[in-house]
Amino acid sequence: QVQLQESGPGLVRPSQTLSLTCTVSGASISSGGYYWSWIRQHPGKGLEWIGYIYYGGSTFYNPSLKSRVTISEDTSKNQFSLNLSSVTAADTAVYYCARDLRYGDYFEYWGQGTQVTVSS
Amino acid sequence: EVVLTQSPGTLSLSPGERATLSCRASQSVANHLAWYQQKPGQAPRLLIYDASSRATGIPARFSGSGSGTDFTLTISSLEPEDFAVYYCQQRNLFTFGPGTKVDF
Repeated sequence: QVQLQESGPGLVRPSQTLSLTCTVSGASISSGGYYWSWIRQHPGKGLEWIGYIYYGGSTFYNPSLKSRVTISEDTSKNQFSLNLSSVTAADTAVYYCARDLRYGDYFEYWGQGTQVTVSS
Repeated sequence: EVVLTQSPGTLSLSPGERATLSCRASQSVANHLAWYQQKPGQAPRLLIYDASSRATGIPARFSGSGSGTDFTLTISSLEPEDFAVYYCQQRNLFTFGPGTKVDF
């Protein structure tokens, strides 16, 4: 069974960089065929896709966040990471990592989510 | 960007009743639409993909229909565990609808 677990600081100062890691078990992120995403949910609101990484380290980002987002992978640890720079209070959200169903279309497996608050 | 709208915002029903949820896309997405269920404090759960295919382990009381711009999620007979928020999602930049809350 594929499992994902987010980790990282729960509090980030404004203008700093938010950094989260997703540790994957039950599947190899380097085996190919799947897309590994970050998604966030603002308090009491809907869901926003941030970006994904797939085999070989290729990435694709939401245009609305592209200038501030970097997603990378560490295949030796079976992890992928999110960096979001120059954060503001508007980046306060629950952040999820997820794996697609196939071909990068829908999200089949999700982490439990981690709350990140941007505040001084 | 494809914008998804969902209606109603809240659906107040009782266990055993039928729930009909709507999702409308601002332009055609063919059948490339999914439905998710989210309970408080939990991650979303994939219910339906490609508009009408049930994901692994999803009970048969959940069904999806539609194509193009208009889609429907139907829960044939609500169980107590079905009271939750439901989101639709399309795969062009992975946009989600605002959600429909099904409450008791």
